[in-house]
Order: sequence, then structure tokens, then C-alpha cells
Amino acid sequence: EAGVVQSPRYKIIEKKQPVAFWCNPISGHNTLYWYRQNLGQGPELLIRYENEEAVDDSQLPKDRFSAERLKGVDSTLKIQPAELGDSAVYLCASSGWTGWGNTEAFFGQGTRLTVV
Amino acid sequence: ELKVEQNPLFLSMQEGKNYTIYCNYSTTSDRLYWYRQDPGKSLESLFVLLSNGAVKQEGRLMASLDTKARLSTLHITAAVHDLSATYFCAVDTTYGQNFVFGPGTRLSVLP
Repeated sequence: EAGVVQSPRYKIIEKKQPVAFWCNPISGHNTLYWYRQNLGQGPELLIRYENEEAVDDSQLPKDRFSAERLKGVDSTLKIQPAELGDSAVYLCASSGWTGWGNTEAFFGQGTRLTVV
Repeated sequence: ELKVEQNPLFLSMQEGKNYTIYCNYSTTSDRLYWYRQDPGKSLESLFVLLSNGAVKQEGRLMASLDTKARLSTLHITAAVHDLSATYFCAVDTTYGQNFVFGPGTRLSVLP
């Protein structure tokens, strides 16, 4: 079974340019997460979806970041305009309902963004 | 706000030695996860601990959870170089829907 798939793997853009990341979660997983991981730190949650509904976006910088999960499957995270401080690895993860709670989060390979 | 701490943040040890990584968290939770991350790679799930007193073992790694102390440990037995990686604990307070990660412990096992 395929895991969480993200693209692109790497992206280099100039500041003030837009960028978008795509994620395809594990089939059947209703919960999808976008995390940002800065160098040498743990992942920090940006947004969590339950199906197509964003249920926790409190850490998402809404002035420049947006996300969507149409049809409750694939998701896209966008930054517009990008700033130098946005350079990081953007990780997508998904988890599924087992009847007594969700599974652990399974992570994709991530997109390494460099803003120059 | 849930805070997750790990100790130590950096660990250099020799092959064959034993050591323990500690994960403390600030609010009540009975779900804790350990992940491994190799340089430039994503996070790989190692252990899922879902109740007080839970203990899981895989190879040279053993994880335990004490929910009363809000503490989890990851014990390394007879370390080998292949265990060199960064280890993260993550705490969930909403039945698998909100994972808060610690800062990670960067482990280097030296020959």
C-alpha cells in the first residue's frame, strides 16, 4: 500500500513568489495534517483536516498561507508571497480512525522549501 | 498549552553502551508516540503507547509510558551505529488527532 505522497520534494523560489505543495494521504485516512519542520527542530502543526473540514488552523499564518482539501482526499498548501523565514521542510501526514481512536500519524517525504 | 520536552537534546554514545532518552509533557495524556528521523528523511513511526504502564520493544529499543508522571522513556540497549538518528516523541490529547512533538534527541553512535 502506498504511503503519504508529497510533491515536489524540493523547491527553490525567490522571496515574494508564490509556491504550492501537494499531498496525497494514505487511502482511507480521514485526518490530514500539514506540519512545518525547521532545521534542528521538531515538526509544528500548521493545519489539521477532518475529511474536507479544517478543524485546527490556529497555527497557520493566514495572511500568507492557505490550504485546501477538496473532496476530503488530496490537499494543497500554498504560500503567497513567500518570505525568507518560510524556508523549512513542509511535511504532510495522515491518520485513520480505528474505532477507539486514530492511528499514529504517518508522514510523507516532505517538501524542502528554500526561499532566496 | 501542551508542551513536550526531551532530554537530552544531543547524545553521543559508543557502540555497545546503554542509554535512556526522556520525554516529559505538561498535560494529561495517555497516548504517546516515538518517531525516528534520519537526516534528510521523513519521520518513521517506532512505537505507539496508549495506556499507563505500556511497554513496547523492538530490537534494541524499548519504550515505556508513565502517564501519572507524564513521562516516557526510550531505552537503547547495546547501541549500534545504525541507531544514529534523531528521535522524537509526540503527545496526543485528542484520541489521535493532534500530535505535539518534542524538540528531538539527536543520537550519534560511535564505533
